[in-house]
Amino acid sequence: AQRVTQPEKLLSVFKGAPVELKCNYSYSGSPELFWYVQYSRQRLQLLLRHISRESIKGFTADLNKGETSFHLKKPFAQEEDSAMYYCALLGNSGGSNYKLTFGKGTLLTVNP
Amino acid sequence: NAGVTQTPKFQVLKTGQSMTLQCAQDMNHEYMSWYRQDPGMGLRLIHYSVGAGITDQGEVPNGYNVSRSTTEDFPLRLLSAAPSQTSVYFCASRTTAAAGAAGGYTFGSGTRLTVV
Repeated sequence: AQRVTQPEKLLSVFKGAPVELKCNYSYSGSPELFWYVQYSRQRLQLLLRHISRESIKGFTADLNKGETSFHLKKPFAQEEDSAMYYCALLGNSGGSNYKLTFGKGTLLTVNP
Repeated sequence: NAGVTQTPKFQVLKTGQSMTLQCAQDMNHEYMSWYRQDPGMGLRLIHYSVGAGITDQGEVPNGYNVSRSTTEDFPLRLLSAAPSQTSVYFCASRTTAAAGAAGGYTFGSGTRLTVV
């Protein structure tokens, strides 16, 4: 079974402060990990994927297979970063390579 | 390029009524899925399809039916709506091609359903 855990439902920081949204996963193989962002009442948008090792809007995320984590980080938060963030896992074998499993999400609020 | 299109955007149903949520994609994606989004629960998979004529149940399939007669369309049917089905529903699609698959799923804009 594949599982994604986001331990923080809510995270509040001040503008300019560093932010880290935690994500841990459980999967027996080597999954693909993603971060999706949802701004108020809009559709989910892909933010990051671990295989790309890219930085989008100042956010980065590193896959740590030893700790089974994929935490999302940004050194200096901006007010426009306020949104719901979902960590998601896509399996890579058999019946799991088309099931995208989501964590329950973390609502990030960046205060002025 | 419209991507994934969902209709309607909003709907209010009475308990026991039936309706179909429409989902269409124009990217020739093989995989399509339906999720429901509830506060504190994240997104949960209802049903999914790996191609025309093939569907399967996800995590929370009870009360919902799907069919996939074409690659483009993947409607979700509520046969007898219940208040517990009040939620925001998202349709998503993905290609099987390796390069495209690296992008994960593309999501529609959602349907906000209220059952009274």
